[in-house]
Amino acid sequence: NAGVTQTPKFRILKIGQSMTLQCTQDMNHNYMYWYRQDPGMGLKLIYYSVGAGITDKGEVPNGYNVSRSTTEDFPLRLELAAPSQTSVYFCASSYVAGTGVTDTQYFGPGTRLTVL
Amino acid sequence: RKEVEQDPGPFNVPEGATVAFNCTYSNSASQSFFWYRQDCRKEPKLLMSVYSSGNEDGRFTAQLNRASQYISLLIRDSKLSDSATYLCVVKGPMRFGAGTRLTVKP
Repeated sequence: NAGVTQTPKFRILKIGQSMTLQCTQDMNHNYMYWYRQDPGMGLKLIYYSVGAGITDKGEVPNGYNVSRSTTEDFPLRLELAAPSQTSVYFCASSYVAGTGVTDTQYFGPGTRLTVL
Repeated sequence: RKEVEQDPGPFNVPEGATVAFNCTYSNSASQSFFWYRQDCRKEPKLLMSVYSSGNEDGRFTAQLNRASQYISLLIRDSKLSDSATYLCVVKGPMRFGAGTRLTVKP
């Protein structure tokens, strides 16, 4: 299993450009998450999904959009890039049983995004 | 007040030392607690979950105090390979601390 894969690894955007960060997992996990991590800071949850077709906002959703058309894929869209979105973006997935007990979150290697 | 607070460190300790990290959280309804490890410029990886009764995994011991709303991680007999940033994670909803950096020196 590849686990959680993210593309691209690095990207530089100009202000106002748009892009999609790709995330794929092959572990048949139901939950998927997008986080951003600024230097010296903890991870902040942007959006999450509890299953195909279902997404919800996290702590810092403004400026981002997501979709979950399949169990495997959870892309993150930046429509109008701003310097404040310069960060490292991590995608993660986990299996959450019906009882709500959470299994381990598995993270992808991250995408380093710079907006100039 | 931050929802999850950790001492940022850095903690610089010699090999073989015992080191302890604390983490406090503000949401009394939080349901699950974890310690993650993050190496420089890498993704976080689960170190251990934290259970109400406390739990141990080799040289690592985690404890939870719900009344005082804090979590601790104790590392005994530190190894060079323990050098990393340790993230406290609280679920309900999911919140990460900023991390405590540990450097173990020869």
